[in-house]
Amino acid sequence: EIVLTQSPGTLSLSPGERATLSCRASQSVSSTYLAWYQQKPGQAPRLLIYGASSRATGIPDRFSGSGSGTDFTLTISRLEPEDFAVYYCQQYGSSLWTFGQGTKVEIK
Amino acid sequence: EVQLVQSGAEVKKPGESLKISCKTSGYTFTSNWIGWVRQMPGKGLEWMGIIYPGDSDTRYSPSFQGQVTISADKSINTAYLQWSSLKASDTAMYYCVRQPGGVRYFDYWGQGTLVTVSS
Repeated sequence: EIVLTQSPGTLSLSPGERATLSCRASQSVSSTYLAWYQQKPGQAPRLLIYGASSRATGIPDRFSGSGSGTDFTLTISRLEPEDFAVYYCQQYGSSLWTFGQGTKVEIK
Repeated sequence: EVQLVQSGAEVKKPGESLKISCKTSGYTFTSNWIGWVRQMPGKGLEWMGIIYPGDSDTRYSPSFQGQVTISADKSINTAYLQWSSLKASDTAMYYCVRQPGGVRYFDYWGQGTLVTVSS
């Protein structure tokens, strides 16, 4: 089973700043099968990025994804107030889907 | 419009059985996978399993194999997650998710069903 490790656990930033979130896999992951989700308190998660770098429908272009192999990154170019949330990466491999433990982006 | 509408919150005692539902609309039920994701209080997301309603092909996470049963009823476009004997550690929010055919991500999520197991 592929384990995804996200870092940092918490990111304290101010609105307007750039956020860089990391997702590292225990073994190589196909970029096609790497996704990112955002979850706000009291809400269901929503899909942000799929295929490592493709934005889901309606996702602003300040969100971008990159990476390959075992290292993937979600970047928020300029944080808006509504972007403070928890972010999860997710992968598929060998008929199993796994999530990272999440990164909380909080207001500094 | 794609919608996944889950059944309401449940409060159960240890040892009781439970079946929660996820009613879908707005797309072809039999051509997309439906999965279940657990979120324990204050914790992260855990993939439990997934079913393809078209042929009932079902996959389980090793962590949940034998602990839950996932099923689907094509006649009413609804997926289910069931337990035969609940434990206190099953207390969590459960989300159903849609995975379009041919991809491996979850593009639509239900609103969640909170299951509380307490004596």
